[in-house]
Amino acid sequence: QVQLVESGGGVVQPGGSLRLSCAASGFTFSTHGMHWVRQAPGKGLEWVAFIRYDGSEKFYVNSVRGRFTISRDNPKNTLSLQMNSLRPEDTAFYYCAKDLGAANIIFDSWGQGTLVTVSS
Amino acid sequence: EIVLTQSPDFQSVTPKEKVTITCRASQSIGNGLHWYQQKPDQPPKLLIKYASQSFSGVPSRFSGSGSGTDFTLTIYSLEAEDAATYYCHQSTNSPWTFGQGTKVEIK
Repeated sequence: QVQLVESGGGVVQPGGSLRLSCAASGFTFSTHGMHWVRQAPGKGLEWVAFIRYDGSEKFYVNSVRGRFTISRDNPKNTLSLQMNSLRPEDTAFYYCAKDLGAANIIFDSWGQGTLVTVSS
Repeated sequence: EIVLTQSPDFQSVTPKEKVTITCRASQSIGNGLHWYQQKPDQPPKLLIKYASQSFSGVPSRFSGSGSGTDFTLTIYSLEAEDAATYYCHQSTNSPWTFGQGTKVEIK
């Protein structure tokens, strides 16, 4: 079955950087779009970034554009999120989510999440 | 940006009752509306896609309807395991957005 396992979360100071990874298995990774969705503790869901199945297009929510970079390595079945210039408001659980298809923008499988805390 | 507004924010319901959650979009999104269930300390799960299509493995008591700007998630005959927060999400226009969530508690 589909498995998505995030890693790389932790505590970082404002202005710092962090790189999240998501190891995917149980499906043909190279044919599905992939997303990062975040959730501040006790709050609602916020879509963060999307990358097409072949990496040809990337989309970001306005609040992270220019600071975060989504990427993927299809031979290694891995999704990444490079987060720079982190702010306290970036504190959240970050979920890796599989798209239903190439770009349906429907999240049909989710990882367990990794917590990013931005604090001095 | 398309804003999704859910109502109510919270609902306390007895088992076997019917639950209705609405999601209103700030502009027409066709049928690009999807519903997720999130239980405490778990990631969300997809319930309904394209307003009314049940996702694989979802119990038949979950049903979705609507189009344009007004959508509804109905849980027929609520079960104890349905205690969760429910979110709507639109896929029509980027940035793709979620409603604020509706928490369903079992009385």
